[in-house]
Amino acid sequence: GAGVSQTPSNKVTEKGKYVELRCDPISGHTALYWYRQSLGQGPEFLIYFQGTGAADDSGLPNDRFFAVRPEGSVSTLKIQRTERGDSAVYLCASSLRRSNTGELFFGEGSRLTVL
Amino acid sequence: AQSVAQPEDQVNVAEGNPLTVKCTYSVSGNPYLFWYVQYPNRGLQFLLKYITGDNLVKGSYGFEAEFNKSQTSFHLKKPSALVSDSALYFCAVRDYRDDKIIFGKGTRLHILP
Repeated sequence: GAGVSQTPSNKVTEKGKYVELRCDPISGHTALYWYRQSLGQGPEFLIYFQGTGAADDSGLPNDRFFAVRPEGSVSTLKIQRTERGDSAVYLCASSLRRSNTGELFFGEGSRLTVL
Repeated sequence: AQSVAQPEDQVNVAEGNPLTVKCTYSVSGNPYLFWYVQYPNRGLQFLLKYITGDNLVKGSYGFEAEFNKSQTSFHLKKPSALVSDSALYFCAVRDYRDDKIIFGKGTRLHILP
């Protein structure tokens, strides 16, 4: 597609449930980032993929969070046993290559609400 | 570890006046610096970047930013503000040895007609 696509745009779930958020990056972009944005805050880095592998997952808050990118394109962020504090907008971004000087193309985000 | 500070939560400017949105950074190596803008119900959009070379960089919509190494700053500027510039602005930094890009908390810019 023309831009980064994220689904669902909105997700409401109950505490303790499992959630998957999907990101479809711009075709040909090898780098993919996940960020989390809480109300009134800037994007918080979660994880970065270069191709299929997670090059840096230091931002994942705990082991309930996991992300995959099995074919080097679409990525899924997985959250187990959701908590109310996980409520936020989850942003995905992609860029052309690792040596790219950092211009990221963002999707519109997936808003997660945990009741 | 790299970090970014945006000291102002909100900046108010009258239309037609110059605007400045402040950003300071901390990295252990040479920085790559960026500004992004977020309009209501829209994704973040890239405005401009500093990688190397001229300290004054120009970007989209008439915005520019000045890299100051001694003050570790990268303030966003525009000579004449438009009402349509009202949005949330984020400064971001990357250490050139690392691919992780860290964002500031954002500054809300209000341009008053």
